[in-house]
Amino acid sequence: GAVVSQHPSRVICKSGTSVKIECRSLDFQATTMFWYRQFPKQSLMLMATSNEGSKATYEQGVEKDKFLINHASLTLSTLTVTSAHPEDSSFYICSGTGSVGYTFGSGTRLTVV
Amino acid sequence: GESVGLHLPTLSVQEGDNSIINCAYSNSASDYFIWYKQESGKGPQFIIDIRSNMDKRQGQRVTVLLNKTVKHLSLQIAATQPGDSAVYFCAEVSGNTPLVFGKGTRLSVIA
Repeated sequence: GAVVSQHPSRVICKSGTSVKIECRSLDFQATTMFWYRQFPKQSLMLMATSNEGSKATYEQGVEKDKFLINHASLTLSTLTVTSAHPEDSSFYICSGTGSVGYTFGSGTRLTVV
Repeated sequence: GESVGLHLPTLSVQEGDNSIINCAYSNSASDYFIWYKQESGKGPQFIIDIRSNMDKRQGQRVTVLLNKTVKHLSLQIAATQPGDSAVYFCAEVSGNTPLVFGKGTRLSVIA
């Protein structure tokens, strides 16, 4: 079946530094990649939608200059958390969609110290 | 029984019993619904889906019921097993919009 490989699975970074999260669709072309954030004991909240080759569309309240999304190819999308702060600590999940429905990555646990 | 935790309602069931997890969705125009299972520290795992032109769909040990009149979805798990313990989310879609997730329910199976 369709697989989205997400890396890293866990990352700890210092406050003020940047972290890049990658999602690769392994056996399908992800024309659209959705990025979600999930805080403990809460549901997944959509952060942004990116279509291959286009600028991402961000949800209200999500800072586009802080959460940089690149979707330069049909198999790779990245989310860079810039100048990370402790409040950015969360579980980040990508979801790729193409002709195979919605396929989720395994998530990245980001801890900012 | 069912209780409401800090953010996530919890359903506790005995192993072997049937579980029913409920979800109220928000958009009457949604035409596709999915149930996901999420284990701790992992991404959501597809369980079963249903289109709005159906009111019931069965999978292996799982059944999804859709009541469009009251915008309600339910997931029934037969003969619940310890491996079913997880958080379950419903998600709704309208056209090409992103999935919108419900609040989630934690299922706890008592051996």
